Amino acid sequence: GENVEQHPSTLSVQEGDSAVIKCTYSDSASNYFPWYKQELGKGPQLIIDIRSNVGEKKDQRIAVTLNKTAKHFSLHITETQPEDSAVYFCAARINTGGFKTIFGAGTRLFVKA
Amino acid sequence: DAEITQSPRHKITETGRQVTLACHQTWNHNNMFWYRQDLGHGLRLIHYSYGVQDTNKGEVSDGYSVSRSNTEDLPLTLESAASSQTSVYFCASTSGNTGELFFGEGSRLTVL
Repeated sequence: GENVEQHPSTLSVQEGDSAVIKCTYSDSASNYFPWYKQELGKGPQLIIDIRSNVGEKKDQRIAVTLNKTAKHFSLHITETQPEDSAVYFCAARINTGGFKTIFGAGTRLFVKA
Repeated sequence: DAEITQSPRHKITETGRQVTLACHQTWNHNNMFWYRQDLGHGLRLIHYSYGVQDTNKGEVSDGYSVSRSNTEDLPLTLESAASSQTSVYFCASTSGNTGELFFGEGSRLTVL
């Protein structure tokens, strides 16, 4: 089955700096890669996603990149703000196998003001 | 607005007791999932369902069961609670069209 590894587990940056979170997946049949943000005491919420036919996607200060050959995908947050502090999860899903989504272990991001 | 709700939000129980966590969604989504969240493990899939009367085991299904008698609800039952099942449980649903999972607020379960 699919396995998703995520690094680092904790990331601390200064406000205004960039943050990068990296993930790898094992199943080459995975073709949908969402990123979720979880704030304290809440359920995860989708912030951005990328499909396997796209190499990069950007939404304001957030961007995701995908390298299918290496089975790597990354989340980039630029100009970080204190409200970006949260736990971020990467995930992978095989669309043709139903909608089962496998998550990474999460990255706790601290943005220091 | 459509939503997904979990209950109870907090529960303390004793080893060996049966516990049921409720999940109710009003989006009319066919696909529903239960995850548990533990430090260092992220979100691990327990059980999932793609429609009424359909249930499937996930990565960590031992000691858990689900039933799907209607579209809106997917209750998660711990037949005989164990301390290793102390965790935060999240229910999620998706239509499948976009891929986005919609999560509930979570249920924190403590097994003493």
